[in-house]
Amino acid sequence: AQRVTQPEKLLSVFKGAPVELKCNYSYSGSPELFWYVQYSRQRLQLLLRHISRESIKGFTADLNKGETSFHLKKPFAQEEDSAMYYCAGSRLTFGEGTQLTVNP
Amino acid sequence: NAGVTQTPKFQVLKTGQSMTLQCAQDMNHEYMSWYRQDPGMGLRLIHYSVGAGITDQGEVPNGYNVSRSTTEDFPLRLLSAAPSQTSVYFCASRPGWGRFYEQYFGPGTRLTVT
Repeated sequence: AQRVTQPEKLLSVFKGAPVELKCNYSYSGSPELFWYVQYSRQRLQLLLRHISRESIKGFTADLNKGETSFHLKKPFAQEEDSAMYYCAGSRLTFGEGTQLTVNP
Repeated sequence: NAGVTQTPKFQVLKTGQSMTLQCAQDMNHEYMSWYRQDPGMGLRLIHYSVGAGITDQGEVPNGYNVSRSTTEDFPLRLLSAAPSQTSVYFCASRPGWGRFYEQYFGPGTRLTVT
């Protein structure tokens, strides 16, 4: 199974600052990586999947096979981005989550 | 479509009691799973199912049972509740297996065991 780890439990930035949430994965065949977001007291929802190479709510995530990373980035954080972010890998596995707080 | 639904939303149990957390989906998804969410530990997979009649253990299966008699329903049973099972439980479903398929989550059940 492809394991994922998120080294930062908490991340705090100011509004307008760039933000990067880290995700590292263990190599095991073709990557299968997703980012999910959970706003306060809501259900988890998909933010991005690596196969689509899309940008959602200003967030992007690039797969770096050399570093086995799938970091989530946004150039200018907004207060409404405050949430818990989970990186997910294959076989239904999730990382530990990073709680992002965007301060005014 | 209602998507993935879970009942109850909240539950308080005494140590040793048993109960069933209900999960249903109306999207005809083959794959369903149960997670618990604990602070600092992320989402941990309890059990999952790849189709009606087929279930398997995840990362933290002890103390929990599941069954999948229909495509729509995937209940999670706590056999004898313990304080360590205090958590938020999420059910999820997925239409397929692999990099193209996201999971759809229910709203969660917040369980407290005293």
